[in-house]
Amino acid sequence: AQRVTQPEKLLSVFKGAPVELKCNYSYSGSPELFWYVQYSRQRLQLLLRHISRESIKGFTADLNKGETSFHLKKPFAQEEDSAMYYCAPSMDSNYQLIWGAGTKLIIKP
Amino acid sequence: EPEVTQTPSHQVTQMGQEVILRCVPISNHLYFYWYRQILGQKVEFLVSFYNNEISEKSEIFDDQFSVERPDGSNFTLKIRSTKLEDSAMYFCASSGTASNQPQHFGDGTRLSIL
Repeated sequence: AQRVTQPEKLLSVFKGAPVELKCNYSYSGSPELFWYVQYSRQRLQLLLRHISRESIKGFTADLNKGETSFHLKKPFAQEEDSAMYYCAPSMDSNYQLIWGAGTKLIIKP
Repeated sequence: EPEVTQTPSHQVTQMGQEVILRCVPISNHLYFYWYRQILGQKVEFLVSFYNNEISEKSEIFDDQFSVERPDGSNFTLKIRSTKLEDSAMYFCASSGTASNQPQHFGDGTRLSIL
């Protein structure tokens, strides 16, 4: 079965500390991978996708096919990073997004 | 920047009634989606729509649900004979000229079934 796992429902770190939000997937082949973010009282929005290999708001995510992971990282957390983060790999021909359960990130001052 | 818009923002309906949730996707987008999020749970895919037909649907999207693109701008989700467990946030999304492009989401409609 296609499955996405975000093991941490809640992650709390201090401002300036490194952040890593974990995402593992169970797919064969090469999935398209996304991280979406939902800030308080805002809509879901794309944070980054792996094929663009870019850094958005200081976040990066590397696809590790050996570990089937797509962890989201930022070296120095900022208070405005507090939000819900969803890992959304997709595999089938329609690129349906199969969502992880989400991780709530809280950055403490 | 163009946005996906959803109306209403909050819908309260008696159990057993029908509801229609409305979405206006970004104008040049070709792929449309509905998701739902029950309070405290993860976002769940319901259905995708392309070229005036459903391209994929999840197990959640049973005969109680239907989607329609009645004109060139709106994309609607109809829920018949609503149940208490249909209470959730419903998100509409659209993406551009290829299905693997990022999806743009609306603010959602909060559906409360009494």
